[in-house]
Amino acid sequence: GAGVSQSPSNKVTEKGKDVELRCDPISGHTALYWYRQSLGQGLEFLIYFQGNSAPDKSGLPSDRFSAERTGGSVSTLTIQRTQQEDSAVYLCASRAGQTNEKLFFGSGTQLSVL
Amino acid sequence: LAKTTQPISMDSYEGQEVNITCSHNNIATNDYITWYQQFPSQGPRFIIQGYKTKVTNEVASLFIPADRKSSTLSLPRVSLSDTAVYYCLVGTGGSYIPTFGRGTSLIVHP
Repeated sequence: GAGVSQSPSNKVTEKGKDVELRCDPISGHTALYWYRQSLGQGLEFLIYFQGNSAPDKSGLPSDRFSAERTGGSVSTLTIQRTQQEDSAVYLCASRAGQTNEKLFFGSGTQLSVL
Repeated sequence: LAKTTQPISMDSYEGQEVNITCSHNNIATNDYITWYQQFPSQGPRFIIQGYKTKVTNEVASLFIPADRKSSTLSLPRVSLSDTAVYYCLVGTGGSYIPTFGRGTSLIVHP
């Protein structure tokens, strides 16, 4: 596609429910990142996929968070048993290849946990 | 990873030049300096990247002194639409994870 696509753009859920957030990176991009951003804050790194390598999960805040990337393309971020503190904008970014290449971000998913 | 320090906020007026300076005292030899811009309700967008000296594109200029311990993003003749948060990032390498701090919130006034 023309850019990084994320869905849904908005998600409202109840505390304790599971949610899945989807990211479609730019075709051919080997690297994919998930970040989250709370209101007025910077971006918090969550997880990084690079090609077929094992993902870097060092930013995941708890074991309720997980992510996968199928076929080196689409990625899904899953949050189990959501809590109110999970409310944030979840941003996905992809990068072409070399590590100094620029990131392309999607518009994010605004998650609200009631 | 090199840590960056930049002002939390800046104010300017339409038509003025804005310079945002970022400090990165422990930048590594192979590190690049990259700036992103973020508007409300959008993901960050790449503005400019450099390694040393000066880089210019259609949006901004990036000035990097010889010691590379700081860099300055220069936005010429800003308009209201330049109101955004600007992030300075430093890094590269096989396991590079771009680290975004709180950035600099630039407000351009009429």
